[in-house]
Amino acid sequence: KAGVTQTPRYLIKTRGQQVTLSCSPISGHRSVSWYQQTPGQGLQFLFEYFSETQRNKGNFPGRFSGRQFSNSRSEMNVSTLELGDSALYLCASSPGQGIQAQYFGPGTRLLVL
Amino acid sequence: AQRVTQPEKLLSVFKGAPVELKCNYSYSGSPELFWYVQYSRQRLQLLLRHISRESIKGFTADLNKGETSFHLKKPFAQEEDSAMYYCALRNREYGNKLVFGAGTILRVKS
Repeated sequence: KAGVTQTPRYLIKTRGQQVTLSCSPISGHRSVSWYQQTPGQGLQFLFEYFSETQRNKGNFPGRFSGRQFSNSRSEMNVSTLELGDSALYLCASSPGQGIQAQYFGPGTRLLVL
Repeated sequence: AQRVTQPEKLLSVFKGAPVELKCNYSYSGSPELFWYVQYSRQRLQLLLRHISRESIKGFTADLNKGETSFHLKKPFAQEEDSAMYYCALRNREYGNKLVFGAGTILRVKS
């Protein structure tokens, strides 16, 4: 099976802009989670989607949002970008919720100037 | 609150030496514990989960609920083990949300 894919792999934006990142889970996986990875804060949970519904949310401002489509693909959106949003954004997929392990994508590296 | 602590930022050992990467957690319920590994220029990948009780690439980890620890061990380190290792906790009440430790860089010297 193909692994989790994320697009784009690299992105440069300026403050105030908005960005949309995409994640395609492993075929058959219905749960998609998003994480932010920074040198200062490490890996932090953003949110999880299962069957097109947000099931869990981390401690991030409302500028961070996401959605999941009927084919389990997911997008996350960050509006009004700030310099501190520069990070590696990781997507992880799992067959279900809270039972099986998660498999991570390569990430999208976002740089906000 | 759930928290995962990896006290060592960097662990440097010689090839053939034993390795122990420490992980402590704070959580009052029955969590699931995982070890993830990230090799240079590769994606984060699952190494071990405590419920599987298996050995992967010679690594083992035992969940000690009394000490709230889940240390990762390998009797004889190899150069290809050099990577960043993350300990992570999941509480099933929160679905697939993983709480990660800060990570430990393992360097195996020849």
